[in-house]
Amino acid sequence: DADVTQTPRNRITKTGKRIMLECSQTKGHDRMYWYRQDPGLGLRLIYYSFDVKDINKGEISDGYSVSRQAQAKFSLSLESAIPNQTALYFCATSGRTVDTQYFGPGTRLTVL
Amino acid sequence: SQQGEEDPQALSIQEGENATMNCSYKTSINNLQWYRQNSGRGLVHLILIRSNEREKHSGRLRVTLDTSKKSSSLLITASRAADTASYFCATEGSNYKLTFGKGTLLTVNP
Repeated sequence: DADVTQTPRNRITKTGKRIMLECSQTKGHDRMYWYRQDPGLGLRLIYYSFDVKDINKGEISDGYSVSRQAQAKFSLSLESAIPNQTALYFCATSGRTVDTQYFGPGTRLTVL
Repeated sequence: SQQGEEDPQALSIQEGENATMNCSYKTSINNLQWYRQNSGRGLVHLILIRSNEREKHSGRLRVTLDTSKKSSSLLITASRAADTASYFCATEGSNYKLTFGKGTLLTVNP
């Protein structure tokens, strides 16, 4: 089984709808991250959490919110989706003493 | 804003040749990492080099870091068609967050 899983893998929705993307990990890592990837722009950090009680905004948090339900679960919500939130979304994890990040397979979100 | 900037944006080579990608960054770092992404998939960590290191090897990968020039290079030797992917550098600063560049798309032709 994959260490970092994301659901759904693909989602098409309409403008104004509320969407939740979920991330689960079995690596036992404290730190979790949400990124979005747009063509030609690389990855940009949306939110990150260094432990269950710690939530921090990243580079592009406007229009997004997160919830860290447990050490293993970190959800990203779009309260009212808009077309420019169409992107590939990645969850990642890292350990407290480990510098590298481990990525999920991504969620392709299309907002019509 | 992106911390790292890869160069070139795209690189096409023949199987067996070496591929070199460069990364420049702007502020001080704890470490610099290289990741690989196959089309539309998650990123996979390749190698990490700390700010006090100058060169590191892992299999066919060689990474150099020049902190005075704020630059790094990734060399893939004896490239294979399976190396075709996008390669990203990412810098970790004092806040323990990674900042990614826009990537280099490497195509290795059989």
